[in-house]
Amino acid sequence: AQTVTQSQPEMSVQEAETVTLSCTYDTSENNYYLFWYKQPPSRQMILVIRQEAYKQQNATENRFSVNFQKAAKSFSLKISDSQLGDTAMYFCAFMKPQGGSEKLVFGKGTKLTVNP
Amino acid sequence: DTAVSQTPKYLVTQMGNDKSIKCEQNLGHDTMYWYKQDSKKFLKIMFSYNNKELIINETVPNRFSPKSPDKAHLNLHINSLELGDSAVYFCASSVGETQYFGPGTRLLVL
Repeated sequence: AQTVTQSQPEMSVQEAETVTLSCTYDTSENNYYLFWYKQPPSRQMILVIRQEAYKQQNATENRFSVNFQKAAKSFSLKISDSQLGDTAMYFCAFMKPQGGSEKLVFGKGTKLTVNP
Repeated sequence: DTAVSQTPKYLVTQMGNDKSIKCEQNLGHDTMYWYKQDSKKFLKIMFSYNNKELIINETVPNRFSPKSPDKAHLNLHINSLELGDSAVYFCASSVGETQYFGPGTRLLVL
């Protein structure tokens, strides 16, 4: 079974600075997807970024980028120019394609606080 | 223009009661899910349906029964509620590998 580990329960960063959230996973699969979801205090789960394992290029979405190291099974999220609105729980998630029966396997989350 | 909606947003009830949570998506997706987020914020899959057919049932007590009247709706019925059922329940839908979540329903069992 796949597992996802987020080793940083809490982190904080000053506004406008850069922060990196760590995620490692365990799988014997070669083809899979990785995601970062953000959950602000409003509780809504918001997709931040996704990465396909067969793509070597790291995904980027505006201020959010990932460092995907397939051999090391590492998938960290870098947030540049942090904003107060980035304060949230961040969840790393793994998915194995299964032809319609996919499920997300989540890590335990990292609580990020952006300080003014 | 809500993509995935859930009702109610909050639900407070007594132990032993039966309750339902409704989910609707207007994205035209074929697959829908229920996830449970416990008090420590851990999220875990409960069920998934594809075109009204149950695909995933993750060893959830049989007090929980999902029902999909059509592919745009996936409801969750819970019988004989227990204290440990207190959690946030998220509905999601997907096309391909990306899942889109509803706003969640916070269930509190007293």
